[in-house]
Amino acid sequence: GAVVSQHPSRVICKSGTSVKIECRSLDFQATTMFWYRQFPKQSLMLMATSNEGSKATYEQGVEKDKFLINHASLTLSTLTVTSAHPEDSSFYICSASAYLNSNQPQHFGDGTRLSIL
Amino acid sequence: GEDVEQSLFLSVREGDSSVINCTYTDSSSTYLYWYKQEPGAGLQLLTYIFSNMDMKQDQRLTVLLNKKDKHLSLRIADTQTGDSAIYFCAESYSGNTPLVFGKGTRLSVIA
Repeated sequence: GAVVSQHPSRVICKSGTSVKIECRSLDFQATTMFWYRQFPKQSLMLMATSNEGSKATYEQGVEKDKFLINHASLTLSTLTVTSAHPEDSSFYICSASAYLNSNQPQHFGDGTRLSIL
Repeated sequence: GEDVEQSLFLSVREGDSSVINCTYTDSSSTYLYWYKQEPGAGLQLLTYIFSNMDMKQDQRLTVLLNKKDKHLSLRIADTQTGDSAIYFCAESYSGNTPLVFGKGTRLSVIA
């Protein structure tokens, strides 16, 4: 079946580092991808909607200059956490929606656990 | 705004049935989902149901939807220790709109 690949699965880095997370749809084209964040023992909260070829739409309270999203092709969206700080430590997970087939449910990546020291 | 509520904890004995309940507020929700998350892992889609359905069964899993009451349940038959995880209820308007998640129900299975 359809698969969404997310890399890296885990990142540990120093404060001030920028971290890029990739979300790829492996066997389908995705015009829309979503980025969620999950803090420990909490639910998933939508951060932004990534649309191929256009600017991402950010949820209220999410800094667009802090969390840069690029959706340059129908199979790849990237989230870059710029100048990460310990409070950015979280579980980031993407999902993808198939192009031309909005009747199918979204598929999630396995998530990226980001730890900022 | 949209809201999804579910109880936070459920404890059952191995072999018994588990029933996890969820309520949602958005009457335009078309898709209703159940995801499983094991410790340190991502989300596993267990099953989903369209809003025009009342029930969906898939092996040990049975989903019941009461659209009038906006109530969704997940029944796991013959619960096993491997079923211990957090179960998230979620809803969306379509396949390409974002999901709204509940806070998750932590299922503990006692051997």
